[in-house]
Amino acid sequence: SQQGEEDPQALSIQEGENATMNCSYKTSINNLQWYRQNSGRGLVHLILIRSNEREKHSGRLRVTLDTSKKSSSLLITASRAADTASYFCAIPYYNTDKLIFGTGTRLQVFP
Amino acid sequence: EAGVAQSPRYKIIEKRQSVAFWCNPISGHATLYWYQQILGQGPKLLIQFQNNGVVDDSQLPKDRFSAERLKGVDSTLKIQPAKLEDSAVYLCASSLDSGGARTGELFFGEGSRLTVL
Repeated sequence: SQQGEEDPQALSIQEGENATMNCSYKTSINNLQWYRQNSGRGLVHLILIRSNEREKHSGRLRVTLDTSKKSSSLLITASRAADTASYFCAIPYYNTDKLIFGTGTRLQVFP
Repeated sequence: EAGVAQSPRYKIIEKRQSVAFWCNPISGHATLYWYQQILGQGPKLLIQFQNNGVVDDSQLPKDRFSAERLKGVDSTLKIQPAKLEDSAVYLCASSLDSGGARTGELFFGEGSRLTVL
């Protein structure tokens, strides 16, 4: 399918450790986006990386994009309990303005 | 800047009843989306508006779901009659320009959680 697929489905780590989530997709894209969703809340945009970019940083977040492998990764460094949430990658459907979400990675950070 | 507003936050109904959800996007945002998120899954796009016109409603179950966006601002999503499998969170999102997800991020509301008994 066009949607991204995240790996792993669930991840548990201790505070201070790094968390890495991966997203794979099947078609060409013009951008890939990462969102966070705290339990019972809406989604919050984290980073948008365009197809001509290989890496992007925002605070403790680092996103990479490999268009040849059709994959992206989200790295959260020095994780905190407040980072506990579900993380979704999302891509524009066949480069239209429709955003299609993957199934998400549930991250649990223990204090 | 005010975010995307949605109401109600929670709704419990019996199957075959009807329900309506309301969304007020960020001021000036041209594109509005309704997503359905079933527990443990990613959001699924139901319908997309550009100003007050429907751009895509291919995933909307039109026998029971309807949506409108009057005057290109507020939007309502209605379900009638509801089924058990409609239990989900209904998320509204908006984006600033006509490019939508192709050019920028989406801003989401907190969602409306529907339980159908």
